Amino acid sequence: DAGVIQSPRHEVTEMGQEVTLRCKPISGHNSLFWYRQTMMRGLELLIYFNNNVPIDDSGMPEDRFSAKMPNASFSTLKIQPSEPRDSAVYFCASSLTSLEAFSYNEQFFGPGTRLTVL
Amino acid sequence: KNQVEQSPQSLIILEGKNCTLQCNYTVSPFSNLRWYKQDTGRGPVSLTIMTFSENTKSNGRYTATLDADTKQSSLHITASQLSDSASYICVVSVRGYSTLTFGKGTMLLVSP
Repeated sequence: DAGVIQSPRHEVTEMGQEVTLRCKPISGHNSLFWYRQTMMRGLELLIYFNNNVPIDDSGMPEDRFSAKMPNASFSTLKIQPSEPRDSAVYFCASSLTSLEAFSYNEQFFGPGTRLTVL
Repeated sequence: KNQVEQSPQSLIILEGKNCTLQCNYTVSPFSNLRWYKQDTGRGPVSLTIMTFSENTKSNGRYTATLDADTKQSSLHITASQLSDSASYICVVSVRGYSTLTFGKGTMLLVSP
């Protein structure tokens, strides 16, 4: 298995532009997580999906951020409009979980997308 | 508020030496604690995961300990290698919830 796949690996854009990050989870996994990592705040959970349904999006910083999971093998995180403070590394992770044992199952992380907003 | 504090923030050791990284947490009710290794430019990779009933778990040269009473964990690295240079992140999960609480990590540099 190729693991979690993210694209692009690097993105440089100008303030105000729309940015779309993409993720393909590990085949057979039913949960998908979007994280943001910065030096100041470390890793922060933005949103997670279980069986393609958003369960908790309380970590999404504001309305400029949106995430979708149209099917079990694809998810997007969109920022519109982007701002310099959105510059960070964005990770996607997936796991095979059930809601009863949700907090135990291991999450597998992708390589991340490094976003720079000028 | 659920928090995970790690120390030290950064550490430099000579190749072949041992080291211990610390993690204190205030997460409640506790479910499990994980240590992740994150190489520069890559995503975190799980090293160990422990529930409250486990007080030690090993993965090769990595040994994690957990004291659920004092809410402390440590990660001991034996006979360090250059490839151990990475950020080590302590992560705690809350029983009954899906989200994880992350520490900010300890940056380890193993010097030849």
